[in-house]
Amino acid sequence: QKEVEQDPGPLSVPEGAIVSLNCTYSNSAFQYFMWYRQYSRKGPELLMYTYSSGNKEDGRFTAQVDKSSKYISLFIRDSQPSDSATYLCAMNAGNNRKLIWGLGTSLAVNP
Amino acid sequence: GAGVSQSPRYKVAKRGQDVALRCDPISGHVSLFWYQQALGQGPEFLTYFQNEAQLDKSGLPSDRFFAERPEGSVSTLKIQRTQQEDSAVYLCASSSSGSGINEQFFGPGTRLTVL
Repeated sequence: QKEVEQDPGPLSVPEGAIVSLNCTYSNSAFQYFMWYRQYSRKGPELLMYTYSSGNKEDGRFTAQVDKSSKYISLFIRDSQPSDSATYLCAMNAGNNRKLIWGLGTSLAVNP
Repeated sequence: GAGVSQSPRYKVAKRGQDVALRCDPISGHVSLFWYQQALGQGPEFLTYFQNEAQLDKSGLPSDRFFAERPEGSVSTLKIQRTQQEDSAVYLCASSSSGSGINEQFFGPGTRLTVL
């Protein structure tokens, strides 16, 4: 069993929909939780970063972490075609530690 | 300022050839990471440097893989006697350990194809 599980999709939604992406993990030492977006043939870029449990909102994006359930989520409101990409969750146990990644979920937002 | 750059962007090697992949991190970033991303997969950790010291190489899949960062800036990942299973995108990331933010900034990757 992988340390981080993420449904690879693909996920296809109409423009304007609310998108929910999720990951589960098994290592209780993880404290830092990130969501990266990766366009085709590009490197991952950080979208959201959360320390420990709680919610964080940035524009149309909301990240949630529930450490008791070992479950993290990313919500995208009013999705746009430009949001079409692969979304990867990543986490680690502290600064300058290796990131452990999910498989990535492929999202297509259709105009 | 410039982000993380990697070269070459694409590399085709015949099985058995040696390859060298270069990473130029963001200037002043202390930490440097290498990851391997197979098609349709998330990145997998290979190795980590803090300045010139290689602090973690637990992810290197075999002794054919070797990484160095001799002056604490540019890093090279070398793969000897390449095999078809080495075909992947090799991602480099750098981080400022003093930032407290723990963000790793990624380069565009080098796509290695071994024939």
